[in-house]
Amino acid sequence: KQEVTQIPAALSVPEGENLVLNCSFTDSAIYNLQWFRQDPGKGLTSLLLIQSSQREQTSGRLNASLDKSSGRSTLYIAASQPGDSATYLCAVTGYSGGYQKVTFGTGTKLQVIP
Amino acid sequence: SAVISQKPSRDICQRGTSLTIQCQVDSQVTMMFWYRQQPGQSLTLIATANQGSEATYESGFVIDKFPISRPNLTFSTLTVSNMSPEDSSIYLCSVALAGVNEKLFFGSGTQLSVL
Repeated sequence: KQEVTQIPAALSVPEGENLVLNCSFTDSAIYNLQWFRQDPGKGLTSLLLIQSSQREQTSGRLNASLDKSSGRSTLYIAASQPGDSATYLCAVTGYSGGYQKVTFGTGTKLQVIP
Repeated sequence: SAVISQKPSRDICQRGTSLTIQCQVDSQVTMMFWYRQQPGQSLTLIATANQGSEATYESGFVIDKFPISRPNLTFSTLTVSNMSPEDSSIYLCSVALAGVNEKLFFGSGTQLSVL
């Protein structure tokens, strides 16, 4: 059974700092890994998707890496801004019993202080 | 990409009543997924809604409590029946697009509070 863990659970940083969020998973047989942002009481906004054959993806100030063999992914946020304050979730897509299965991490709540 | 319109965005309901949540997708999709996110928790899959067949429920979720309709390839509803305060959560619908490497897209969520 796939388990996805995100560390730290909460993070507070001053504006302008670069930061790294971590996601680890127990089963390396994945199809893709996706990072999301969630604002309080809202849905999930997709940030980056990394296919299992890829090592990293970049979008603006965001860079996500994937190391399947070690079961780890990181989300790097450069020059953080107060608007980056949100909960960040990673989700791993794999297959179980022939069906696609998505497992979500527990999230990292980020606060960027002006 | 996919744009999902979900409503209502939030509601406050009385114990014992029911609420129906609607999701409309701007493209045709085979499967739609319904999730629950309890306060401070991650997402838990309730069921997968397939057009033209019964929804498939995950362990711990039953059709009588969470009936789902899927009348066509762009629309689905989830009803939370006979609500209790323990049903207070965010409910989310989602689709995965095969043409974008199974990328997940989510609706804006329904924040439900049961008094």
